[in-house]
Amino acid sequence: GQNIDQPTEMTATEGAIVQINCTYQTSGFNGLFWYQQHAGEAPTFLSYNVLDGLEEKGRFSSFLSRSKGYSYLLLKELQMKDSASYLCAVRDSNYQLIWGAGTKLIIKP
Amino acid sequence: IAGITQAPTSQILAAGRRMTLRCTQDMRHNAMYWYRQDLGLGLRLIHYSNTAGTTGKGEVPDGYSVSRANTDDFPLTLASAVPSQTSVYFCASSPGTSDTDTQYFGPGTRLTVL
Repeated sequence: GQNIDQPTEMTATEGAIVQINCTYQTSGFNGLFWYQQHAGEAPTFLSYNVLDGLEEKGRFSSFLSRSKGYSYLLLKELQMKDSASYLCAVRDSNYQLIWGAGTKLIIKP
Repeated sequence: IAGITQAPTSQILAAGRRMTLRCTQDMRHNAMYWYRQDLGLGLRLIHYSNTAGTTGKGEVPDGYSVSRANTDDFPLTLASAVPSQTSVYFCASSPGTSDTDTQYFGPGTRLTVL
């Protein structure tokens, strides 16, 4: 079967750095996406990786290792507004997105 | 530009009733999707449409039907609602279905079936 694993919840301090991990086992791989979802709102796109390595976008970076079936989202200089759920999704061989359950990130002052 | 709109925002429905959730996008995207999101589970694909006039079944299609008569609209119908269909429903669209195509989400419909 297809599986995406992420930690259920993480806590971090304002101004710090946090890394959210995602491991996957899917039928095929055509890219990995990270989305942010604030409580009661729709998911919004953060990043996309299809090749191994690090993609940096301001305070957010995403890393991919296809051989290990592993990705992480790195958030730097955390702000209170970063409190949200972070969803990892893999595009499979049918070009459909398979979603993890999401990681709820709690930021403390 | 509104992006993707969904209606209603929320609904309480008696079991056995028929219900249509509406989704409209103004981005001229070819592909559209319906997901449900339940606590502790990832988004699960119900149905999708790669282009107007075509639809396909996702991971959890039973009890739901869709149509795609034009590019902009992608309604989801529950023929006879059951309590297990209580969920938050998100409609999404993407320009196409290639590797890099990002999905954009509507604001969601919160449905409670009693």
